[in-house]
This record gives sequence, C-alpha cells and structure tokens, in this order.
Amino acid sequence: ILNVEQSPQSLHVQEGDSTNFTCSFPSSNFYALHWYRWETAKSPEALFVMTLNGDEKKKGRISATLNTKEGYSYLYIKGSQPEDSATYLCALQGGTSYGKLTFGQGTILTVHP
Amino acid sequence: DGGITQSPKYLFRKEGQNVTLSCEQNLNHDAMYWYRQDPGQGLRLIYYSQIVNDFQKGDIAEGYSVSREKKESFPLTVTSAQKNPTAFYLCATLPGPTNTGELFFGEGSRLTVL
Repeated sequence: ILNVEQSPQSLHVQEGDSTNFTCSFPSSNFYALHWYRWETAKSPEALFVMTLNGDEKKKGRISATLNTKEGYSYLYIKGSQPEDSATYLCALQGGTSYGKLTFGQGTILTVHP
Repeated sequence: DGGITQSPKYLFRKEGQNVTLSCEQNLNHDAMYWYRQDPGQGLRLIYYSQIVNDFQKGDIAEGYSVSREKKESFPLTVTSAQKNPTAFYLCATLPGPTNTGELFFGEGSRLTVL
C-alpha cells in the first residue's frame, strides 16, 4: 500500500500572504503526481498532473514543483485570497493504471480577509 | 451542461439494508471510479470500470458491488456486508482508459447508517 503524506493538515493565513504545502510519497512508486482543489460543497477539481522530475507547473497564482528522486511535491499559492480557501489534495499515480490514485489526507487552507 | 451527477446527496440507511448510490455522466468518458472519504483519511478507491460491462476491485471493495451496463452510468451498491458504510462517496471519470490526465469528480453522496 502506497503512503502519501500531506503537511500541514490545516493552515490559516491572512489575505495577501503566500503559502505552501507539501506532499510526500514513496519515490520508488511513481508514475504521476496529481494536485486537486476541493472547495466545500463542490467537486474536487484538478490543478496539476506532473510526471517529470523537476517539473514545475503554474496556474495563475498557484504553482507546483515535483521531485521524484526524493519523493515530494510542493504547492505554492502567492498572495492568498479568500476564494483560495479549500482542501488541497495530492494523489500519487503509481503505475499505468490510470485513475487508480492514492490520495493524501489533504491540507485544509483557510484564508482570512 | 456536461458533468457528473451523483444522487442522492444525502442518504440515511438502517443497519442491514442495502443502498445504491447513483453516478451518471454525460462527458462521454470511458472510465469511471468510486472513491470513499473518511475523516482524516485520503480518498480510497472502491471499484473502477474502464469500459462498459467490465469493472475491477479497488483497494477497499469488500461489502460493495457495482455494475456498468451503460457508458453513462456506474451505480455503487453498499451492501449490508460493509462493516463501516458511513462515509462520503465520490464518483469520478477519465476520458479514456489510457488517458494520463486528471480525474473529473461529482459532488459526492454522504451516506449515514443509523
């Protein structure tokens, strides 16, 4: 069973602060790393899918990096806004069975105005 | 609108009863998945189907059953054999069995066993 760990479990920041979270995974079992944002009462939505060591992806104020050799990914949010408040999930795809993901427990971000 | 519809959003069940959660999609996606969320844990895969009339067990299939008679539909039955059925259930899809892209999710169904 793959073990995907996210930290911190929850985070409170002020509007305008920049923040980051970590996703750790076993480096020996890697095919792709997914990040999802899950707002309350909505569906989880994909932010990034990363496959290459050293990959960096960006969507607006949110970016992510990937280190497959040491088994971690960082998600960064620059200038947090209240609408960024959500649970951020990372998930490891350990092989070519697409859609079979091992999820971390999530990081709950609350951005205070 | 294209999307994934899960119903019901909330469901209460007495112990010993089977219950079926519906997942319908009009995205024309081939693959469909059922995940379960428990407090403080990551989503866990129950069952998945990559093509009509075919499905496979995920990591926690015991006490659950599924069918895939139509491309659009992938219902999940929570049977009385499932020891801890109270949870939040998410249905997801992928455009094709060989797609490396992201999952598309429904809004979920919350099942409470009384």
